[in-house]
Amino acid sequence: GAGVSQTPSNKVTEKGKYVELRCDPISGHTALYWYRQSLGQGPEFLIYFQGTGAADDSGLPNDRFFAVRPEGSVSTLKIQRTERGDSAVYLCASSLVGGSQETQYFGPGTRLLVL
Amino acid sequence: AQSVAQPEDQVNVAEGNPLTVKCTYSVSGNPYLFWYVQYPNRGLQFLLKYITGDNLVKGSYGFEAEFNKSQTSFHLKKPSALVSDSALYFCAVREVNRDDKIIFGKGTRLHILP
Repeated sequence: GAGVSQTPSNKVTEKGKYVELRCDPISGHTALYWYRQSLGQGPEFLIYFQGTGAADDSGLPNDRFFAVRPEGSVSTLKIQRTERGDSAVYLCASSLVGGSQETQYFGPGTRLLVL
Repeated sequence: AQSVAQPEDQVNVAEGNPLTVKCTYSVSGNPYLFWYVQYPNRGLQFLLKYITGDNLVKGSYGFEAEFNKSQTSFHLKKPSALVSDSALYFCAVREVNRDDKIIFGKGTRLHILP
């Protein structure tokens, strides 16, 4: 079956611009997670959705970052006024219902480069 | 606070030899532990997890990991390494009854030498 998909696979933008990154989770998965992976580091948690609502957004670094999941399936991570330090791979993951025992399945990521 | 340490940035092993990738963790309660592998330009792939029960967990591609509560470790092992095992490996921890984040280590790059 289809796994988690993310678009675009690569995004190059200029400092100060707005970007949107899309995640399409595994069909039927109610839990969705966004992580950010900087070079040489492990993924760092950004936000967790249970259905349409953000259950935990404690990992968002500042108010330039925002994410939505209006219909409980596809999610969009939005970054305003991008900065060079936002350059990273943004990973999306999903799991069936979000229980702590569950495996999170990851997409291939979106590589964001802010010039 | 939860944390994961992978003390080795890189591990080199000759093909056919056993391999070990080390991981230690810190959580305030009981842990759920995970290993993921990342190949170049690809996302994280799940290898195995420890939830409860037998301390030795078997996973994909012949990998296994041993949970050691007294040493707070969850080392990844394989009896005989393949060149195709060369990749970046991440250990991760989640606290029991925490439904949100997984905390990842920095990763260990595994090189299997032919």
